[in-house]
Amino acid sequence: AQKITQTQPGMFVQEKEAVTLDCTYDTSDPSYGLFWYKQPSSGEMIFLIYQGSYDQQNATEGRYSLNFQKARKSANLVISASQLGDSAMYFCAMRGVNFGNEKLTFGTGTRLTIIP
Amino acid sequence: KAGVTQTPRYLIKTRGQQVTLSCSPISGHRSVSWYQQTPGQGLQFLFEYFSETQRNKGNFPGRFSGRQFSNSRSEMNVSTLELGDSALYLCASSLAPMGTGDSGNTIYFGEGSWLTVV
Repeated sequence: AQKITQTQPGMFVQEKEAVTLDCTYDTSDPSYGLFWYKQPSSGEMIFLIYQGSYDQQNATEGRYSLNFQKARKSANLVISASQLGDSAMYFCAMRGVNFGNEKLTFGTGTRLTIIP
Repeated sequence: KAGVTQTPRYLIKTRGQQVTLSCSPISGHRSVSWYQQTPGQGLQFLFEYFSETQRNKGNFPGRFSGRQFSNSRSEMNVSTLELGDSALYLCASSLAPMGTGDSGNTIYFGEGSWLTVV
């Protein structure tokens, strides 16, 4: 079985500051993928960034970067220069390759609030 | 490029009724999976379809079923609705089925269907 842990239920960050959302994972799969999604109150799950377990470099997508530390089994999301529109729930998820682990497993999420 | 489209967005049903939700994946995507999101249980995997075949199924009762058509569109059905079925149902699409090499196989979600059972 695989597991995602997000230890920050909520975070308040000043606008324009950088923010790091924590995510640790546990899996026995030899290969896996890690995802971050943003979910505003409307409900849509918006894909932000992806990191493959064999990728040598940390993934980046605009203001989003993923701090991947494989040995520590962590995949933290870093948002640079936060904006009011970044206020939302953020979910870390992973997917393995072994039977039963192919589905996306989600963490409990972090509610990020950007303060003007 | 159109994203994942789910209909209806909102619906209210009575206990005992059944409901059908629809999902149109991104053009070219052949894998469609469904997730249920509730405040108490979080996001839980329902099932995945690829090329009209169910490949994976989560731990849900048989009242939850789905299917996929030749154009990759998918429907999920919940029969004999219970109050606990009230949830946001999210559909996701990807190029390749789950469990294959992840490189490039990003998973995109739709806006979801909000189901309320009264």
